[in-house]
Amino acid sequence: GAGVSQSPSNKVTEKGKDVELRCDPISGHTALYWYRQRLGQGLEFLIYFQGNSAPDKSGLPSDRFSAERTGESVSTLTIQRTQQEDSAVYLCASSLSGLQPNLPSNYGYTFGSGTRLTVV
Amino acid sequence: GDSVTQMEGPVTLSEEAFLTINCTYTATGYPSLFWYVQYPGEGLQLLLKATKADDKGSNKGFEATYRKETTSFHLEKGSVQVSDSAVYFCALRRGNTGKLIFGQGTTLQVKP
Repeated sequence: GAGVSQSPSNKVTEKGKDVELRCDPISGHTALYWYRQRLGQGLEFLIYFQGNSAPDKSGLPSDRFSAERTGESVSTLTIQRTQQEDSAVYLCASSLSGLQPNLPSNYGYTFGSGTRLTVV
Repeated sequence: GDSVTQMEGPVTLSEEAFLTINCTYTATGYPSLFWYVQYPGEGLQLLLKATKADDKGSNKGFEATYRKETTSFHLEKGSVQVSDSAVYFCALRRGNTGKLIFGQGTTLQVKP
């Protein structure tokens, strides 16, 4: 598609429920990233997919968080047994590749509009 | 580990004032440096970037110079407009990974 699409745009859930957030990257982008942005704070890296390589999960805050990606397309971020501190905007981004040392001049992430998750 | 530190906001300026938002980083090797902007109600957008020491990134009147000796990438604009009101994020990326490390963001408010 023309941009990175995330769904839903807003999600309100009860504490303890599981949620799934979806990201559709730009076609042809092999790298996909999930970030979390809590109110008034910066972006916190969660997980990074690059092609068929093992994902970099170093930013996932707990084992309640997991993410999958089907090939080089859609990704889902799952949060199990949600807690109030999980409330945040979850941002997805994609890029041509994360690993090329000599990048094209237009290299950069394209971010989606995010999913605002509220745990009540 | 790698990190980015930005000046705390909010920064409030009058229209046509000079803007500086400080950004310093800690990283091994020679990272690429970026400024992203988030306008109210919109997604993050790449504003400018620099990939090696002494490079200057520029866009929409904004500039930032990659200073390796001071590990800084300060954002500047000579004359801000009300439409520049947004949150600005400094970020770095090391060459062997696509992962961006972001600063905490600085809110800029420009008053007419």
